[in-house]
Amino acid sequence: QQQVKQSPQSLIVQKGGIPIINCAYENTAFDYFPWYQQFPGKGPALLIAIRPDVSEKKEGRFTISFNKSAKQFSLHIMDSQPGDSATYFCAASMRSSGSRLTFGEGTQLTVNP
Amino acid sequence: GAVVSQHPSRVICKSGTSVKIECRSLDFQATTMFWYRQFPKQSLMLMATSNEGSKATYEQGVEKDKFLINHASLTLSTLTVTSAHPEDSSFYICSARPVLATNEKLFFGSGTQLSVL
Repeated sequence: QQQVKQSPQSLIVQKGGIPIINCAYENTAFDYFPWYQQFPGKGPALLIAIRPDVSEKKEGRFTISFNKSAKQFSLHIMDSQPGDSATYFCAASMRSSGSRLTFGEGTQLTVNP
Repeated sequence: GAVVSQHPSRVICKSGTSVKIECRSLDFQATTMFWYRQFPKQSLMLMATSNEGSKATYEQGVEKDKFLINHASLTLSTLTVTSAHPEDSSFYICSARPVLATNEKLFFGSGTQLSVL
């Protein structure tokens, strides 16, 4: 059962644009929501993470918006650059399960020059 | 930041042979490591949770006798794919959580591309 649904599957933007990737979860016990960036042939790298007690978190050009009532969260990438072209995964976990992550399906982002 | 080293990065083997993949936490200790499998253009699927000094916990549908996991020390976990077949060809990734971590932050290895001929 897919507990974290991610959209869109792929996304193309121009340099400087603001791509937005959305995720929705089902399990209300989730209390940690990270976003990962993955380049081809590499492992994922943590970009930013949020907990349900805040509605927004910003780190550099990356912002997470979190809507607890709707069970949705999204990643915004400000002033996107060609180097941001990668696959992005949202994920969720609950404290009681340690760091056992459930990943979304992934979004292939392409930023054109 | 914490570094997780995974070796080898790429391996090609013949059908029926076994392949061992190592996952090391270089500058921290990890009582728990995780093994994932990723097919092209798909998400990461958790295979098993590796616990130092005890048996691994496998996800539903993952054959524990085929994917042997050993976590003999606080810095090393190994995944052995036994009697590999072409359908086992995939990208295998490990992750580790520092023992002293106060959050759920995980550090990932760079992955191992396994190709079974």
